[in-house]
Amino acid sequence: ETGVTQSPTHLIKTRGQQVTLRCSSQSGHNTVSWYQQALGQGPQFIFQYYREEENGRGNFPPRFSGLQFPNYSSELNVNALELDDSALYLCASSLGAGQDTDTQYFGPGTRLTVL
Amino acid sequence: QKEVEQNSGPLSVPEGAIASLNCTYSDRGSQSFFWYRQYSGKSPELIMSIYSNGDKEDGRFTAQLNKASQYVSLLIRDSQPSDSATYLCALKDSSASKIIFGSGTRLSIRP
Repeated sequence: ETGVTQSPTHLIKTRGQQVTLRCSSQSGHNTVSWYQQALGQGPQFIFQYYREEENGRGNFPPRFSGLQFPNYSSELNVNALELDDSALYLCASSLGAGQDTDTQYFGPGTRLTVL
Repeated sequence: QKEVEQNSGPLSVPEGAIASLNCTYSDRGSQSFFWYRQYSGKSPELIMSIYSNGDKEDGRFTAQLNKASQYVSLLIRDSQPSDSATYLCALKDSSASKIIFGSGTRLSIRP
C-alpha cells in the first residue's frame, strides 16, 4: 500500500455530464500528479500540483481542471464528458522536485465509464 | 514529442527463468528512470528507480541503464507466476514536471 487513496473506485456518467475525482496524498508528500490510462496504454500525464499551484500540464483540453488543497489532497474535474474520457484515472503523490524526490506513488485509481 | 518505447508483448517466460524487459527513450536529458509493475485492473506499483549508468539490483530484480544508448532494461531472475503482469518503463521529463510512460510490456510466466 502506498498510502495514496482515491475516491470513488468506479463511476458511470453520461456524455456531457461533469465529474469530480478525489485524491488524498501520502503523508508528507506535497506534490500530486494526475494521469489518464486508457485500456492497453501507459498512463498519460494530465497535470501536476505543487503546494496548491499548477506545476505542469500535459496535452489535455481546458475542460480537465484541478485543485490542490492546503492539506495536499486534490481534485480532478472533467466537464462536458466525452466517450473517449472513459479510462482509469490515477493520482500519484511525490515529495516534489529533485532526483531522489520525484519518485511517484500511485493510488488505486478511479475507473470512469462514460456512456 | 518525447517518447518511451516498449515491446507490447506478450513475453512468455518459463517459471524459474530470467525475464528480460527492454525500453528505449528519446529524451537525452532525462536523469531519472523507473520501472512499474501493473496487475490487470490495478494501479502501477513502483519496482525500481535508477539514475546512474550501470546496474542496480534489488532482490530478484536488476535494472540496467545506458544513457549513451538511451536504453533501460529490467531483468527478473527466478521468474514466478506472480510476476505475470504488465511492466511499465517510465522517465522523468528533463524539461517539465512530469513522468512519461511507455505503453508497457505484458509478461506471462508459464509453469
